[in-house]
Amino acid sequence: GAVVSQHPSWVICKSGTSVKIECRSLDFQATTMFWYRQFPKQSLMLMATSNEGSKATYEQGVEKDKFLINHASLTLSTLTVTSAHPEDSSFYICSARDLYDRAFPSYEQYFGPGTRLTVT
Amino acid sequence: AQKITQTQPGMFVQEKEAVTLDCTYDTSDPSYGLFWYKQPSSGEMIFLIYQGSYDQQNATEGRYSLNFQKARKSANLVISASQLGDSAMYFCAMREALTNSGNTPLVFGKGTRLSVIA
Repeated sequence: GAVVSQHPSWVICKSGTSVKIECRSLDFQATTMFWYRQFPKQSLMLMATSNEGSKATYEQGVEKDKFLINHASLTLSTLTVTSAHPEDSSFYICSARDLYDRAFPSYEQYFGPGTRLTVT
Repeated sequence: AQKITQTQPGMFVQEKEAVTLDCTYDTSDPSYGLFWYKQPSSGEMIFLIYQGSYDQQNATEGRYSLNFQKARKSANLVISASQLGDSAMYFCAMREALTNSGNTPLVFGKGTRLSVIA
């Protein structure tokens, strides 16, 4: 159980285009989803926290107009990288919290397999 | 200031030996949780073990155990009987209770790359 999928798993796009990454919780409802970015050989850096039906909360230094997050349902959150540039090339990982997992702070964040974005 | 510090960028261990991966953390919150994840080259994040700040006993999960020293703010991961498949990046992470909003995400350390040698 507790599977999170991401689509696509990898994408190559030209500079200036937009790319949408989908994050789905397959067998549970996710009240909250987290988006992380990981550059090669570095740690996961939190980009934003999204809650179903409300605006995402972005971390300091993350441009909300560039990284659009939409959490339209309890099983789907999307991250759109607008006007992508080569410096946006990275590994993007989403993570979801089960709606019914009330344990705090021990609740588990279920991670997707990640999306590797390359901007040429 | 960094919340999670992993001072070992890389570690080598002989197959079947035990290895300790260091993690120290910084928080003033009395309620927090500490997690360890494994990330193989495929990129997926695999949850290994959890320790709560109020837990009296050190957490154990199979070959993984957590050496929790609260006063020193350290939460070292011990892997016993290392296997070749243990070669991966290992991340220590923390969740603080903060406002207890329930949406506090995990904050990760820089990671330690473990290489198991046959």
